Amino acid sequence: QKEVEQDPGPLSVPEGAIVSLNCTYSNSAFQYFMWYRQYSRKGPELLMYTYSSGNKEDGRFTAQVDKSSKYISLFIRDSQPSDSATYLCAMSDRDDKIIFGKGTRLHILP
Amino acid sequence: DTGVSQDPRHKITKRGQNVTFRCDPISEHNRLYWYRQTLGQGPEFLTYFQNEAQLEKSRLLSDRFSAERPKGSFSTLEIQRTEQGDSAMYLCASSSSGRGYTDTQYFGPGTRLTVL
Repeated sequence: QKEVEQDPGPLSVPEGAIVSLNCTYSNSAFQYFMWYRQYSRKGPELLMYTYSSGNKEDGRFTAQVDKSSKYISLFIRDSQPSDSATYLCAMSDRDDKIIFGKGTRLHILP
Repeated sequence: DTGVSQDPRHKITKRGQNVTFRCDPISEHNRLYWYRQTLGQGPEFLTYFQNEAQLEKSRLLSDRFSAERPKGSFSTLEIQRTEQGDSAMYLCASSSSGRGYTDTQYFGPGTRLTVL
């Protein structure tokens, strides 16, 4: 079993819909949780950063962490075609190396 | 632009050749990381530095790979005797770490390596 599991998609949704992206993990020591957005042939761009459990909201993005279920989510409200990208969940147990999921390819249809 | 920069952005080489990549972190960041990303996968950790000290190396980092950060600022990643399996995007990230805290990592645009 991989440490971080993420459905690679692709996930296609119409513009304006709410998008839900998820990851599960196996290492209960993870305490730092991140979501990165990556456009084709570009480096990952940090979207959300959460320490331990709980919710965090930033504009149209909401990140949720449920450590008891080892499950994290990213919600995108009022999705836009410019949100089309690969979304990578990432986590770490210490403040150094990050373990990434495979990434979910998201397409927002105009 | 005050983000992480990497050079070159693209490198095409023949099998057996040596290549070197450079990363310039965000100026106030004392930590620098190298990751490798292949098609359809997330980035995989290779190694990281705190200032000029290399603190951890992944098992992915074979003897053909060497990384340096001689003055605690920019870093180089060298691959000797390249193999086709080395073809990937090489990503650099940096962060700020102090007593009791570490900021998250900010990534550069990557260097795409193609080994023919």
